[in-house]
Amino acid sequence: DTEVTQTPKHLVMGMTNKKSLKCEQHMGHRAMYWYKQKAKKPPELMFVYSYEKLSINESVPSRFSPECPNSSLLNLHLHALQPEDSALYLCASSKGVRGVRWPQHFGDGTRLSIL
Amino acid sequence: SQQGEEDPQALSIQEGENATMNCSYKTSINNLQWYRQNSGRGLVHLILIRSNEREKHSGRLRVTLDTSKKSSSLLITASRAADTASYFCAPQGRETSGSRLTFGEGTQLTVNP
Repeated sequence: DTEVTQTPKHLVMGMTNKKSLKCEQHMGHRAMYWYKQKAKKPPELMFVYSYEKLSINESVPSRFSPECPNSSLLNLHLHALQPEDSALYLCASSKGVRGVRWPQHFGDGTRLSIL
Repeated sequence: SQQGEEDPQALSIQEGENATMNCSYKTSINNLQWYRQNSGRGLVHLILIRSNEREKHSGRLRVTLDTSKKSSSLLITASRAADTASYFCAPQGRETSGSRLTFGEGTQLTVNP
């Protein structure tokens, strides 16, 4: 079992739907991340939150909207997605982002399929 | 940003054998991390080695770092079927934000029972 919990595990949605992915950690970590992973490819960073503030947006299309309501929760709101957005979306957390480079702890992801 | 390149892309061995994977990178690093990903799961952090370290051990894992050659290797000894997974390295350069990890394409390890 991982210490980062992602829900749902699977999601199928149409291109006009609005849905949200959720991520939760209770390790007291102050940095949280969203990654996108296509089949047989490495994860690609999308967003980084540090102390509940967005610190990195890797030029992600606006149809993906992240939100960090508190230090334990991270959401990814989805709207008007395209078929090419079908992928595994991984959430991760780490103790911090400054100074010492902390390892990241990953959830098992949400497998998203866009019809 | 800094990205590692793993070699080989795929490795198939018998249970009990050792597996060695390599990672090369281009610019100076602050540290290098190795992660494992089992099929359908998230990534699991294995080892972080800092630029002033040459070797690090964790159980059956041994990581070496040669900053003069800009390369690292991950050795798994006495492999088991459960070691079957993709292995990624993530070098973090001095200029890199502490938060950004860029993974290489990975090595797919298959350990046959």
